[in-house]
Amino acid sequence: DAGVIQSPRHEVTEMGQEVTLRCKPISGHDYLFWYRQTMMRGLELLIYFNNNVPIDDSGMPEDRFSAKMPNASFSTLKIQPSEPRDSAVYFCASSLRAAKGYTFGSGTRLTVV
Amino acid sequence: AQSVTQPDIHITVSEGASLELRCNYSYGATPYLFWYVQSPGQGLQLLLKYFSGDTLVQGIKGFEAEFKRSQSSFNLRKPSVHWSDAAEYFCAVGADFGNEKLTFGTGTRLTIIP
Repeated sequence: DAGVIQSPRHEVTEMGQEVTLRCKPISGHDYLFWYRQTMMRGLELLIYFNNNVPIDDSGMPEDRFSAKMPNASFSTLKIQPSEPRDSAVYFCASSLRAAKGYTFGSGTRLTVV
Repeated sequence: AQSVTQPDIHITVSEGASLELRCNYSYGATPYLFWYVQSPGQGLQLLLKYFSGDTLVQGIKGFEAEFKRSQSSFNLRKPSVHWSDAAEYFCAVGADFGNEKLTFGTGTRLTIIP
């Protein structure tokens, strides 16, 4: 298994631009999670899906953030418009159940200038 | 709601020395507990996990952790560290089925000196 695949690995964009991060979970995993990691706030859960349905989006910071999971093998996290304070590493993770532990992707390092 | 505390932000250990990283959790019932490791520029990798049963759990890379309910702790240990163990370590706590979110600690950065 190739694991959780995220793209791009690095993204540099200008303030105000739209940014789309992509994630392919492990086949057969029912849960998909989006996390953001910064020095100041550590790991923050943004949103998670179960069987492609958003379950908890209480961590999404603002309306500028949106996430979709159109099918079991693909999810996107979109920021529109982007701001410098959105600069962070964004991780996608998938699992059968939290009890079995998540498998994380390698992350997308986003820099908004 | 569950929470987890890692009291040590940064630990420095000599290569070959023993290691213990502390983790304290808060949860009303028996929690699910995890340790993850993050190398620079990488995602988080699962080291070990505890659900129930034997309170001493063995993981990958020679790590182990012990669940102590009386102390609400799940400390990570390794008898002899290697330079390649330098990384960030995260403790996480989860709850029963129906609440699939893991709550992560703030992490402990481990530095290994020759």
